[in-house]
Amino acid sequence: SYVLTQPPSVSVAPGQTAEITCGGTNVGTKSVHWYQQKPGQAPMVVVHDDSDRPSGIPERFSGTNSGNTATLTITRVEAGDEADYYCQLWNTSSDPLFGGGTKLTVL
Amino acid sequence: QVQLVQSGAEVRKPGSSVKVSCKAAGIAFSTSALNWVRQAPGQGLEWLGGIIPIFGTPTYAQKFQGRVTITAAESTSTVYMDLTSLTSEDTAIYYCASGGRFFDSWGQGALVTVSS
Repeated sequence: SYVLTQPPSVSVAPGQTAEITCGGTNVGTKSVHWYQQKPGQAPMVVVHDDSDRPSGIPERFSGTNSGNTATLTITRVEAGDEADYYCQLWNTSSDPLFGGGTKLTVL
Repeated sequence: QVQLVQSGAEVRKPGSSVKVSCKAAGIAFSTSALNWVRQAPGQGLEWLGGIIPIFGTPTYAQKFQGRVTITAAESTSTVYMDLTSLTSEDTAIYYCASGGRFFDSWGQGALVTVSS
């Protein structure tokens, strides 16, 4: 079965750029979505369809997807960006699938 | 503005069942894809299944086939998730979420605790 692999943790200093990866075989041929989940809250989509941002999501959040890796990039990281981040895809012929999640720590 | 409001926390004994509700507002309920996603303590997200009310036939994750039933009541814009034969491994927060490719709105979650 298909697997999405994320690093368990990423650490970055405030003002720097965080990159969170999501690996999967030929994931670049699929649409990947990204969620932010803060403690005690429901997840919230921050990027959908590889690189589209919902209204209200800062431009600091962006996504790319190519080959075997999708990446969520957060520029000018702020303390408020500290959260768990999940990638997700939904093939038409299979069930929705989430990556294992990455804990972003702002140092 | 989409609002998904879920029922409250539940405590169940092993072997029993639980039914969680999710009342939707601000969406075209009948034609919206409504899903259930759970999150065990300290763990990641897992999709259980979903339904588009106008079509009526739900889709379930293979892992939960035979144990989960998702239904929708169009008269009250409410979707339900019924999970049977509960074990301690079913202890989790259960979220309803709308969306057919990605999950664009989420309920507040309902904690289900399975304990003897």
